[in-house]
Amino acid sequence: NAGVTQTPKFQVLKTGQSMTLQCAQDMNHEYMSWYRQDPGMGLRLIHYSVGAGITDQGEVPNGYNVSRSTTEDFPLRLLSAAPSQTSVYFCASSYSSRDTEAFFGQGTRLTVV
Amino acid sequence: SQQGEEDPQALSIQEGENATMNCSYKTSINNLQWYRQNSGRGLVHLILIRSNEREKHSGRLRVTLDTSKKSSSLLITASRAADTASYFCATDARDYKLSFGAGTTVTVRA
Repeated sequence: NAGVTQTPKFQVLKTGQSMTLQCAQDMNHEYMSWYRQDPGMGLRLIHYSVGAGITDQGEVPNGYNVSRSTTEDFPLRLLSAAPSQTSVYFCASSYSSRDTEAFFGQGTRLTVV
Repeated sequence: SQQGEEDPQALSIQEGENATMNCSYKTSINNLQWYRQNSGRGLVHLILIRSNEREKHSGRLRVTLDTSKKSSSLLITASRAADTASYFCATDARDYKLSFGAGTTVTVRA
């Protein structure tokens, strides 16, 4: 099992550009989520999904879109990149949303210039 | 807003010593989890303690939970250089969202 795979690992964008961060898991987990990690602020939840076809907003959803067409994939789209979106992005998955551990990808380090 | 807050923000100890870090949270929880993050890597799950549990052990890790004080502690005994990492508490507050604190950075000196 590969676990949770995120691509790319590093990305530099210009302000206003759009891009998609990919996340895939091979553990048949129902619950998937995206976090961003900024220095001194821990991880903040962007969007999450409790199953295919179901997504919802987290703490900091503005500027990001998600979709969940399959159980395995949960891409995060930046619509129009801004310098404030410079961060490290983590995708996580878990068997359910309750009482289970989360498995994290290795992260995508995004810089918006 | 973040649910959990870790204390201290940073901790430096000698190899072989114990490391203790604390987590306080604000609302009722279903469970509390601790994660480790090595530099530049993703988070790795360490231990989960449910709201009806008071203490849990896993190897050299001991976690306590006091729901009346809304706090938890993580103890790492006999620390090793490989324990150098950031440690995060995360709370599951029954709303499908796992909420993380800002973390404690632990440095174990040889």
